[in-house]
Amino acid sequence: QSVLTQPPSVSAAPGQKVTISCSGSSSNIGDNYVSWYQQLPGTAPKLLIYGSNKRPSGIPDRFSGSKSGTSATLGITGLQTGDEADYYCGAWDSSLTAYVFGTGTKVTVL
Amino acid sequence: EVQLVESGGGLVQPGGSLRLSCAASGFTFSSHWMSWVRQAPGKGLEWVANIRQDGSETYYVDSVKGRFTISRDNAKNSLYLQMNSLRAEDTAVYYCQSSDGDNFDYWGQGTLVTVSS
Repeated sequence: QSVLTQPPSVSAAPGQKVTISCSGSSSNIGDNYVSWYQQLPGTAPKLLIYGSNKRPSGIPDRFSGSKSGTSATLGITGLQTGDEADYYCGAWDSSLTAYVFGTGTKVTVL
Repeated sequence: EVQLVESGGGLVQPGGSLRLSCAASGFTFSSHWMSWVRQAPGKGLEWVANIRQDGSETYYVDSVKGRFTISRDNAKNSLYLQMNSLRAEDTAVYYCQSSDGDNFDYWGQGTLVTVSS
């Protein structure tokens, strides 16, 4: 049972922008950094954002992350067909002493 | 090049046991936290367990506590997951992950565990 809540799906046309929300609590997002992962069909997850708003080398600046209180947001601008994937947020939960992933969001490019 | 290669998955009956292994290469294995993450068919990601660099700390998701044990052998650059008392709901692809919570974050290709009679 995920403790981080994401919308099941978001969609937009090529070139447009989408945002994915991740809602948690004071013991996870409110107390720790957030990571975001992209999972293309049939592949392992790939890190997109760490430290709530930092991009690993090689990740285009079309991807951005932010955090406010107990919520986090992933933004994708200039949407491309190759961005069609499932996206997950994740954070350490200090109360559970466990890492928790979000419920996942499927991005569809119309 | 960082590589994580899982093995040991397969079909097991409910109540049975299985030991997963993850062979690491291309980085200093003993310097990084290691984790197991699983994904049931058609479902989302679920973190299972992690272990500190020297093995002195381990953490588990509640649903596997008392049944699964994570361990590592830094001399062999290997991570393990001993899974006992397996249940149908443990059926998933199990991924080995090396992550310190920063930009060092790598995943294996996964190994499928199927618990069924």
